[in-house]
Amino acid sequence: EAGVTQFPSHSVIEKGQTVTLRCDPISGHDNLYWYRRVMGKEIKFLLHFVKESKQDESGMPNNRFLAERTGGTYSTLKVQPAELEDSGVYFCASSQLEGWTYEQYFGPGTRLTVT
Amino acid sequence: GNSVTQMEGPVTLSEEAFLTINCTYTATGYPSLFWYVQYPGEGLQLLLKATKADDKGSNKGFEATYRKETTSFHLEKGSVQVSDSAVYFCALSDGVDSSYKLIFGSGTRLLVRP
Repeated sequence: EAGVTQFPSHSVIEKGQTVTLRCDPISGHDNLYWYRRVMGKEIKFLLHFVKESKQDESGMPNNRFLAERTGGTYSTLKVQPAELEDSGVYFCASSQLEGWTYEQYFGPGTRLTVT
Repeated sequence: GNSVTQMEGPVTLSEEAFLTINCTYTATGYPSLFWYVQYPGEGLQLLLKATKADDKGSNKGFEATYRKETTSFHLEKGSVQVSDSAVYFCALSDGVDSSYKLIFGSGTRLLVRP
């Protein structure tokens, strides 16, 4: 069974440009999460999808970030326009069941560098 | 709000040494507690978890006990190997809100020397 995949693995863009990150969850996982780790600090929650619906987007930093999950399969996270402080590693995770005792399966992350 | 505090790294040990990575938490509900590990070049992997007080999670020789009285979930291993070199993250999740999001500590890098 394929794990969570993310694309690209690394992206370098200039301030003001747009970047779109993609996450493919494990097949059959309705729950999809986005997290971000900035400059070696803690990993922080961005948002949670249940199928195609946003369950919780309280962690999204501002309106430059837009997440979608059309059809309830893969998800994209667009940053437009990118700022220097957006640099970091963006992780996607998925889980089959909803609840605080269940494991979330993480992808390898996308390292975003904004120059 | 909920939070997780873990010891600063890096932690450098010789092979076969005893490992402790401290983790304490603050939570309003009854959280589940997790340790995730990130090996170089890979994504986060669940190492172990505990879902209620006094539970002990264990995997690959690592152990952690959910201590409600001290709000702690310290990670231990009796004899580390070079292959254990990685970044370790303590995390919690609770049912207070409906997202069941994970709240992480800042991570502790472990380097094990031969």
